[in-house]
Amino acid sequence: DGGITQSPKYLFRKEGQNVTLSCEQNLNHDAMYWYRQDPGQGLRLIYYSQIVNDFQKGDIAEGYSVSREKKESFPLTVTSAQKNPTAFYLCASSIRATQHFGDGTRLSIL
Amino acid sequence: AQKITQTQPGMFVQEKEAVTLDCTYDTSDQSYGLFWYKQPSSGEMIFLIYQGSYDEQNATEGRYSLNFQKARKSANLVISASQLGDSAMYFCAMRGAATSGTYKYIFGTGTRLKVLA
Repeated sequence: DGGITQSPKYLFRKEGQNVTLSCEQNLNHDAMYWYRQDPGQGLRLIYYSQIVNDFQKGDIAEGYSVSREKKESFPLTVTSAQKNPTAFYLCASSIRATQHFGDGTRLSIL
Repeated sequence: AQKITQTQPGMFVQEKEAVTLDCTYDTSDQSYGLFWYKQPSSGEMIFLIYQGSYDEQNATEGRYSLNFQKARKSANLVISASQLGDSAMYFCAMRGAATSGTYKYIFGTGTRLKVLA
């Protein structure tokens, strides 16, 4: 089945540690996105990418980094510079009008 | 600047009744798209319905319909014959015109719907 796979489902980060969230899609979509969702809130855009080796900052990119070495993959690194990383992270891809989402990763601080 | 506003933090509806979730938007783009997503407690975002700014007919998908009033900049979601499984968070979202070939999407803060038996 085609879809978007995010892993892991749950992730814990120690102080000062970088962690990487995986996002893989087999939908052959060009555009991919990372969003952050805090409890009771909507989605805020972190980074997005239209093509391989190109990506743009969203509204809350500070403390995050991404790469797009393959069309299928768009990993997000939460760096130690992100002081409040506890949130639910959603990856999405799109072609033409509609976005499709993965099941998300819940990141918590130890 | 683009903005999505959902003014109802929470709603209750009796099972089998219809419910309307409000969404207003602001954009200077001539071409845009409006979406509704459902987010159950498990967290995944489920696409429900899409309305393009040039579509003259209101979009419908099964029990979901989008009441699109362009002049008022509103895109309300109507759920008919509510079911217990409809209890979830609902997000309104907008896609503006492409910038450098990429669309950006913005989301409202959501409405939590609870269907009562």
